[in-house]
Amino acid sequence: DIVMTQSPDSLAVSLGERATINCKSSQSVLYSSNSKNYLAWYQQKPGQPPKLLIYWASTREPGVPDRFSGSGSGTDFTLTISSLQAEDVAIYYCQQFYSSPATFGQGTRLEIK
Amino acid sequence: QVQLVQSGAEVKKPGASVKVSCKTSGYTFSDYAIQWVRQAPGQRLEWMGWIDTGNGNTKYSQRFQDRVTFTIDTSANTAYMELSGLRSEDTAVFYCAREKRGGFDYWGQGTLVTVSS
Repeated sequence: DIVMTQSPDSLAVSLGERATINCKSSQSVLYSSNSKNYLAWYQQKPGQPPKLLIYWASTREPGVPDRFSGSGSGTDFTLTISSLQAEDVAIYYCQQFYSSPATFGQGTRLEIK
Repeated sequence: QVQLVQSGAEVKKPGASVKVSCKTSGYTFSDYAIQWVRQAPGQRLEWMGWIDTGNGNTKYSQRFQDRVTFTIDTSANTAYMELSGLRSEDTAVFYCAREKRGGFDYWGQGTLVTVSS
């Protein structure tokens, strides 16, 4: 199985500041035939299901604010929130679907400093 | 609008089975696979597998392969997940989600299954 490891486990950022969450996969999730990274990012708030933010590592889901961006390729990925808002407090997960089982990272808890 | 609505919370005894439904609306059911994900208390999301809603083909995570069955009722636009041989470690919220290429774009609200003697 591909192991997804996120860092840090938790993060406290001041309102309006940048938040950066990293995700590393134990093997590449870049599919060479279409040059797509099979990596998605989700946001989960308490008592709610996850919400898709970013897919193909860097494509923002429609309706997601443009302060959210994804980058990276191969085994190393980053989710960046350019200017933290109060409503961004949540747990963030990365997920790979390059191979079965489609594994998730352990989550990063984002809080306001 | 797209909606996935799951059945309500269940309490089961060890060794029993549970069947969770996921009723979809707002899109063509057979155009998107349905994925199932488990989240135990305080744990990461865990992928259980998926079902092709066009033909009923399934793919199960090896972790659940021996105990889980996914089915669909295309006339009702509904998917089902049945987990047997329940144990206390199966206490979790179970989610269904619609798969679009690249991610799971719509999720059910989750169904809490509590396994307790």
